[in-house]
Amino acid sequence: GENVEQHPSTLSVQEGDSAVIKCTYSDSASNYFPWYKQELGKRPQLIIDIRSNVGEKKDQRIAVTLNKTAKHFSLHITETQPEDSAVYFCAAPSNTGNQFYFGTGTSLTVIP
Amino acid sequence: DSGVTQTPKHLITATGQRVTLRCSPRSGDLSVYWYQQSLDQGLQFLIHYYNGEERAKGNILERFSAQQFPDLHSELNLSSLELGDSALYFCASSPFGYGELFFGEGSRLTVL
Repeated sequence: GENVEQHPSTLSVQEGDSAVIKCTYSDSASNYFPWYKQELGKRPQLIIDIRSNVGEKKDQRIAVTLNKTAKHFSLHITETQPEDSAVYFCAAPSNTGNQFYFGTGTSLTVIP
Repeated sequence: DSGVTQTPKHLITATGQRVTLRCSPRSGDLSVYWYQQSLDQGLQFLIHYYNGEERAKGNILERFSAQQFPDLHSELNLSSLELGDSALYFCASSPFGYGELFFGEGSRLTVL
């Protein structure tokens, strides 16, 4: 199956600072790259996604960048707030969507 | 509320037993994915069904099986349970087997 590597596994930042989480994937046919946020005790929810025909997508304080040549994509959170504390998962599903593998997750802690 | 319903929410059983977890996808969604999330672990892709047909298997043990019924609900059967099977089991649905996954609240299985 798809190999999705995610780094770092844990990340602590001061409130107001930026956070960056990186993922690499192995299937060059992948063309859809979502990011999910899972708050403690809750279900994962999509926060942003990008398709391979664009290099960057922004939604308020979050952004995702994609480098298809290098097969990696990153999540950027600016002006972090305590409510951003959660586990974040990247994914790189197969181009058919049949196999939907997630990265290992990054536990983000925003320190007030 | 994602519109995906999972039952039971909690289940406690003994080693060697068999359990069935049920998932009702969002209305109209044809795809159902199953994931296992152990304590402090990521989302392990188990299996994907689309409109009643198995589309992909991930890291699913032979003791586990699943099916999707004509009304599109799905069941995950776990047999010969071991202590290590204790985990949170999520199902997620999507309209076409691609794009955003909508997760249920999960079924927490404890094997004693």
